[in-house]
Amino acid sequence: QLQLQESGPGLVRPSETLSLTCTVSRGSISSARYYWGWIRQPPGRGLEWIGSVFFTGKTYYNPSVKSRVTVSVDTSRNQFSLELTSITATDTAAYYCARHLWGDGPDVWGQGTTVTVSS
Amino acid sequence: QSVLTQSPSASGTPGQGVTISCSGSSSNIGTNTVDWFQQLPGMAPKLLIYRSNQRPSGVPDRFSGSKSDTSASLAISGLQSEDEADYYCAAWDDSLHGPVFGGGTKLTVL
Repeated sequence: QLQLQESGPGLVRPSETLSLTCTVSRGSISSARYYWGWIRQPPGRGLEWIGSVFFTGKTYYNPSVKSRVTVSVDTSRNQFSLELTSITATDTAAYYCARHLWGDGPDVWGQGTTVTVSS
Repeated sequence: QSVLTQSPSASGTPGQGVTISCSGSSSNIGTNTVDWFQQLPGMAPKLLIYRSNQRPSGVPDRFSGSKSDTSASLAISGLQSEDEADYYCAAWDDSLHGPVFGGGTKLTVL
């Protein structure tokens, strides 16, 4: 059964860049069907899609963060990554990586990683 | 502000049934199917219903979903204490080229 695991720092300073990686196991990121995305959840709030990548490197981003976000894929490592620049306190959230089909919501989620923005 | 609209809370007693609603627009629920997720405290969301009314294996048939026009519903029958959780709806948005979510409904089992 496919598994996703997020990794990255739990604390990031304001104005810096947040970098997270999602490792895909028990399955291939090079599937011609699935997209690989990042979703976040601020404390006590709802879920927000950040962006997704296809194994070819094609990306789609939420306009709310598009100017600050890069999602990339490394098929050789079966990983995909998130970079979010110019971090502020409003970026404090649990960050989840997930798999989805085009036109569908996520069906497999990572366990999530909590990121706190603080000096 | 979430793209899909959910009531913030719902409640019921053990054994009762409860319905959670989700409202969207023509660019999301109106043209695409709806997923429902259950999120227990401190945990990742778990897929409960996909394609509006399909249950993944292992999800009890007490959970059912439906969709009409730009709205969707999650029905839970025979409430159990372990159903107490946050429930989120989601749908693909054709304008965003990505999934959008509801703000979540906190279900309390009294």
